[in-house]
Amino acid sequence: EAGVAQSPRYKIIEKRQSVAFWCNPISGHATLYWYQQILGQGPKLLIQFQNNGVVDDSQLPKDRFSAERLKGVDSTLKIQPAKLEDSAVYLCASSSNTIREELYGYTFGSGTRLTVV
Amino acid sequence: DQQVKQNSPSLSVQEGRISILNCDYTNSMFDYFLWYKKYPAEGPTFLISISSIKDKNEDGRFTVFLNKSAKHLSLHIVPSQPGDSAVYFCAATSGTYKYIFGTGTRLKVLA
Repeated sequence: EAGVAQSPRYKIIEKRQSVAFWCNPISGHATLYWYQQILGQGPKLLIQFQNNGVVDDSQLPKDRFSAERLKGVDSTLKIQPAKLEDSAVYLCASSSNTIREELYGYTFGSGTRLTVV
Repeated sequence: DQQVKQNSPSLSVQEGRISILNCDYTNSMFDYFLWYKKYPAEGPTFLISISSIKDKNEDGRFTVFLNKSAKHLSLHIVPSQPGDSAVYFCAATSGTYKYIFGTGTRLKVLA
């Protein structure tokens, strides 16, 4: 099966600019996640979608971050305006939410590396 | 509050020897634990998991041990190979499909 697709791979922007990332999950996967990985840290969940509804966005900085998953498939994550501390790798993952996912985790994309200067 | 901790940022091991990566957690509600492996410029990939009802799970060269009383798990790689050089993350969940990740341990296997 095709993996989780993310674009762009790299992005450099100036602080206060806006940026958007795109994710296409594995076909049929109902659940989609966005994680933020800052250098030297583990991935941190930003938002979890179940189909096109938000399940958990408790760690999403809502004053500047937004995400949507139209039609329960692709998703976009936006940052506006960006800050220096937003420099990180943004990882998208998807799962089909069966017991298998608890034992095997979910599938991550390759990520988008954002540098804010 | 760091619920999942990997206290060793890096580890170097000779090829053919055992690599032992450690992970501690604080939340007794966690019931599944996983190890992910991450190469540069790639997303994390699943390596091995263990349910809280077990104390050991083995898959080829990889074995995960869980000590619930100590809230500690470890990943053993035997024998270590140069291709195992990567960052290893442990992760835990309490059944919500939301994983809490540790900060990672960079393993370097020396040829």
